[in-house]
Amino acid sequence: DAKTTQPTSMDCAEGRAANLPCNHSTISGNEYVYWYRQIHSQGPQYIIHGLKNNETNEMASLIITEDRKSSTLILPHATLRDTAVYYCIVRGSGGSNYKLTFGKGTLLTVNP
Amino acid sequence: NAGVTQTPKFQVLKTGQSMTLQCAQDMNHEYMSWYRQDPGMGLRLIHYSVGAGITDQGEVPNGYNVSRSTTEDFPLRLLSAAPSQTSVYFCASKGQDYGYTFGSGTRLTVV
Repeated sequence: DAKTTQPTSMDCAEGRAANLPCNHSTISGNEYVYWYRQIHSQGPQYIIHGLKNNETNEMASLIITEDRKSSTLILPHATLRDTAVYYCIVRGSGGSNYKLTFGKGTLLTVNP
Repeated sequence: NAGVTQTPKFQVLKTGQSMTLQCAQDMNHEYMSWYRQDPGMGLRLIHYSVGAGITDQGEVPNGYNVSRSTTEDFPLRLLSAAPSQTSVYFCASKGQDYGYTFGSGTRLTVV
């Protein structure tokens, strides 16, 4: 699986959009970009994933650059409950490729 | 539908003791896995299973055993606990959709 690079930490004001970047310059054509978050001491929670098109769900939006070497997770209206560590993970598709490889992620702190 | 259930939530062991961390899911997911998370670190894969009767090693398997006799259960066994195994352990499962479901964790301290 391709390696990802994320900033160690970021701050965001409550109610504003939080934009979390991720670099994955070695991503290959069949690898997806996944985002998970971990709120303090809890198990990680799936947020969103994408291959090459931008994706949106009830939690967030995922913007993937045209060359697929980087992506941005957008939380449109951050709340205090969005304070968490956010993990960007690249994983291949296919029936035998189930493993997730976690880095250290980005600690997002949402401030009142 | 309880998702992924881990027991116990907290455990203190003495060095050399053995114990089993339990993980159960009620979503009929084929894939299950165990991770450990040390302070300030991301999660590291210990063992995983792609179905009943099939298990394989992850990144940090030493000191741990697993078995998968049913689709629902995936216990993690520590045969002889060591202080280096002090960690938070997470179990996860995955079905046909794309997202993994994680349990709430077991916090293990080995003294």
